[in-house]
Amino acid sequence: DAGVTQSPTHLIKTRGQQVTLRCSPISGHKSVSWYQQVLGQGPQFIFQYYEKEERGRGNFPDRFSARQFPNYSSELNVNALLLGDSALYLCASSWIPKGATNEKLFFGSGTQLSVL
Amino acid sequence: AQSVAQPEDQVNVAEGNPLTVKCTYSVSGNPYLFWYVQYPNRGLQFLLKYITGDNLVKGSYGFEAEFNKSQTSFHLKKPSALVSDSALYFCAVRGGFGTGGFKTIFGAGTRLFVKA
Repeated sequence: DAGVTQSPTHLIKTRGQQVTLRCSPISGHKSVSWYQQVLGQGPQFIFQYYEKEERGRGNFPDRFSARQFPNYSSELNVNALLLGDSALYLCASSWIPKGATNEKLFFGSGTQLSVL
Repeated sequence: AQSVAQPEDQVNVAEGNPLTVKCTYSVSGNPYLFWYVQYPNRGLQFLLKYITGDNLVKGSYGFEAEFNKSQTSFHLKKPSALVSDSALYFCAVRGGFGTGGFKTIFGAGTRLFVKA
């Protein structure tokens, strides 16, 4: 079975541009989370979606947005890119039984975004 | 709000010796605690989790972790380190208490270096 897949793997943008990152979760997983990992730091939580609804939002500006589609894949959009947005963006999926909050995350390999 | 602290940026250990990677947490209510490992240019991989019950949790690749409620710690351990264990290790706590979200918060990471 395929794991979590992210595209593209690498991306180079210039300041002020907009970017869309894509994620396909493991089959059967209805939850997708997005994280930003700056070199040398731990992953910072951006969003979590479950069954197409936003269930959690981290401390990121409104330039960051996301959505989840009926097939549970997800997109992360970042507008008006800044140099500080350069990072590895990780997508993680999980299977959440009803009422559970203790499930583990399965991560993709990430999209490396460089903003010049 | 929940938080995780990993006090050591790097841990050095000789192959065959026991290793410990430290983690302390702060969270309201019962903690759901996790350890993940990250190899170069890869996403994070789940190692183990503590939900409830036995304070000693066993996970993948011979790793285990000890939950200590009074010290709010969840240290990762392995009786005999391998060179292949060299990687970046992240402690994480699952939160969402009071908000209805399911976000997992990660520590800054500890780099483990095992010398042959």
